Amino acid sequence: EVQLVESGGGLVQPGGSLRLSCAASGFTVSSNYMSWVRQAPGKGLEWVSVIYSGGNTYYTDSVKGRFTISRDNSKNTLYLQMNSLRGEDTAVYYCAREKLAGSFLVGMDVWGQGTTVTVSS
Amino acid sequence: QLVLTQSPSASASLGASVKLTCTLSSGHSSYAIAWHQQQPEKGPRYLMKVNSDGSHSKGDGIPDRFSGSTSGAERHLTISSLQSEDEADYYCQTWGTGIRVFGGGTKLTVL
Repeated sequence: EVQLVESGGGLVQPGGSLRLSCAASGFTVSSNYMSWVRQAPGKGLEWVSVIYSGGNTYYTDSVKGRFTISRDNSKNTLYLQMNSLRGEDTAVYYCAREKLAGSFLVGMDVWGQGTTVTVSS
Repeated sequence: QLVLTQSPSASASLGASVKLTCTLSSGHSSYAIAWHQQQPEKGPRYLMKVNSDGSHSKGDGIPDRFSGSTSGAERHLTISSLQSEDEADYYCQTWGTGIRVFGGGTKLTVL
């Protein structure tokens, strides 16, 4: 079964750090593009970061220099290292697979259940 | 700038059909988009990809009641024979090199 399971969320003080994990099963993380998407309370979905199968990484402007996306191929797991956290980073964080059909993306076709990050003193 | 625009809300009666619209910003009318459904208190679920030529490809297990279409810069999601479980938020999403964009979402109410 194709599945993504996030973990690592919690309560952290402003300025603190947290590392989110996204364990994949049923497919190989490194063969796909993988994204992190977040949803602040009562708000819509916001893309955070993507890592391409070739290793290139990209971020939304508000997290550049603070967040780092990475993967561990041996563990088939995606990560999001979040530093210098702010109140506006409070959200449910989802990981998602971006499936490739040949050289074309079909979109974020598999989502995890989400992990909650709360930044507050 | 790559932007997706959605109406904040829509409503339709049980058993009826509804057409949701996602509009690509100027200069981006050739982009494909994906539709995602988010039921209350749940994570998002991929519905389908809609291409600029109107063709679409659905995710695994998505019922035939869901279909996609295109008109210029507009990408549509049509849901027929509405059921109560279709009451949800619907997001469109697109992509370019190094960027991913979501629309603001449409809250669908089934009357």
